[in-house]
Formats: sequence, C-alpha cells, structure tokens
Amino acid sequence: DAGVIQSPRHEVTEMGQEVTLRCKPISGHNSLFWYRQTMMRGLELLIYFNNNVPIDDSGMPEDRFSAKMPNASFSTLKIQPSEPRDSAVYFCASTPSPWGLLYEQYFGPGTRLTVT
Amino acid sequence: AQSVTQLGSHVSVSEGALVLLRCNYSSSVPPYLFWYVQYPNQGLQLLLKYTSAATLVKGINGFEAEFKKSETSFHLTKPSAHMSDAAEYFCAVSDPIDSSASKIIFGSGTRLSIRP
Repeated sequence: DAGVIQSPRHEVTEMGQEVTLRCKPISGHNSLFWYRQTMMRGLELLIYFNNNVPIDDSGMPEDRFSAKMPNASFSTLKIQPSEPRDSAVYFCASTPSPWGLLYEQYFGPGTRLTVT
Repeated sequence: AQSVTQLGSHVSVSEGALVLLRCNYSSSVPPYLFWYVQYPNQGLQLLLKYTSAATLVKGINGFEAEFKKSETSFHLTKPSAHMSDAAEYFCAVSDPIDSSASKIIFGSGTRLSIRP
C-alpha cells in the first residue's frame, strides 16, 4: 500500500501565479480531506469530499482557493492567484468510509508551498 | 460544536521520564477522541482513539490515554520517554451523532522535546 500520495512535495512560486496541488488517496477510501498547516493558525481543515462530492468547504479561505475530485483516485487544490500569505504546508488525508469518525485519517506527506 | 484545548504548546521532559500531554474537550455529547503524532517533515499519523468503549485506550509506541468524562479530559501519557518520541502531538475530537459529518477538529498541537 503506497499510502496517500501528494505532489509536488515542494513548490516555490511567485505571487500572482496559479498553483495546483495534487493528491491520490488510498485505493478504496471514500473520504478525502485537504488541510493547511501554518505556525500561526495550526492545522485547518479546508474542504472534504465524500464519494467525490464536496461536503463542507467552509474552511476554504476565499474564492482564490478551489478544490476538485473528478474521480475516486484523484483530487486537486488550486490557488489562483497565489499570495505570500498562502505559504504553508498543505496536507491531503483519506479515510475508508464516509462515516469517517470511526476510522483514522491517513495523511499524505504534505506539499510545502512558498509564495514569494 | 466540538472543540479541543491542548494545554501547553511545548513540553520538555528528560529521557526516561513520564510524558503527560494534556487535552480537554468541549462537546454536547460524548465525543470520539483521537491523538495524532507528527514527526518532522511528515504527515500526521494516528496514535490512538477513543470511541466509547474502554475509557483507557492503549496506542502505538507505548502511549495511552484515559477518557475522563467528569473532567472532560483525554490526556496522553507514556511512562518512560524515548528520544524518538520527540514530535508534535495533536488531540482531536469528532461528533458521533452527526453521521453526515466525517470531519474531526484538531487542537493546536503540543511539541514534545526530549532531553538526553
């Protein structure tokens, strides 16, 4: 089992550029989560999907952020345009069931984004 | 709404000493509770979880936590710290009643340092 796969692992971009982060959940998992981690704000849930459908996007900071899950094995988080305050580590996690409460969330290694 | 409070953003103990990381929760119903660990430059991984079975929960790497409803606490302990325990630890809570909600709420984290 390869675990949750995220790419790229590191991204450095200039302010105003579009950034796309990618995630492949564990095969067979039905729920997928995107988190952002910063020193100032800690770990924040941005959005999560059950069976490829966005359930709660209340954590998405603003319209510059968007997320998609076109199929069960792939999700993207896009920032357009990017700003320096978006610099953070972005994690993707998946869990086996839409009722993910009983199951642990399996985290990917994260993407460290730096916007200059 | 559920929330968790982790007392102490940084805890330092000597190798071989008792580890105690504090977590208090706020919930209108008996919650599900979790402890996750994050090693440097890695994603989070589950240490242990409480889902209304035994109040004393044993996890990986010798850690355990006790659910105390009267104190609304779920403190994490380990009898003897090892250098490899140095990491960030997150307490988390979820609502078992709201079956539509797969998400869990993370605390702000406690960084554990181990002195030789």
